[in-house]
Amino acid sequence: GAVVSQHPSWVICKSGTSVKIECRSLDFQATTMFWYRQFPKQSLMLMATSNEGSKATYEQGVEKDKFLINHASLTLSTLTVTSAHPEDSSFYICSAWDNYEQYFGPGTRLTVT
Amino acid sequence: DAKTTQPNSMESNEEEPVHLPCNHSTISGTDYIHWYRQLPSQGPEYVIHGLTSNVNNRMASLAIAEDRKSSTLILHRATLRDAAVYYCILRDVGGTSYGKLTFGQGTILTVHP
Repeated sequence: GAVVSQHPSWVICKSGTSVKIECRSLDFQATTMFWYRQFPKQSLMLMATSNEGSKATYEQGVEKDKFLINHASLTLSTLTVTSAHPEDSSFYICSAWDNYEQYFGPGTRLTVT
Repeated sequence: DAKTTQPNSMESNEEEPVHLPCNHSTISGTDYIHWYRQLPSQGPEYVIHGLTSNVNNRMASLAIAEDRKSSTLILHRATLRDAAVYYCILRDVGGTSYGKLTFGQGTILTVHP
């Protein structure tokens, strides 16, 4: 099946700094990718839909100026958490559709100290 | 989005069949039924999907009620590697939310050796 990768798999940063997370579709092209966030013992929450060559669509309550999404090519979307704070510590997961299956990345664990 | 209801948790013994139920009484005609599972600290993994007819693949079977208001994911012989959170999700292919998956709380499956 198709593969979605994420980099890094985990990252620790200091409060106030920015962190960039990459999501790549390895063997297929994805005009649309999705970004989710998951807190411990909770379900996945969709943050935004990333569209190649255009602006991302954010879910209600997600700050678009804080979570910057860029989808510059058909195989790469990036999520930048700007001015990160401890409450942004979470598991970030991206995904993309290939045929009828949505493929998820392995996730990125962000810890803000 | 149409809502699904799943039991919070279920338990099984290794090598026994497992039937994971899902209720979706408000399902619409354009909703596909998708099942994903998530192992600890990993991104979700596609299991199976269907529209009206029962479906089988190498991982599992999906039994869909005739009125489509409920479905059951069947793992024919549970293994320890099947211990995960299982999510039943409706995907609307006919509306503006095409492509988005809304995760509920899912069912935590515990498999005993």
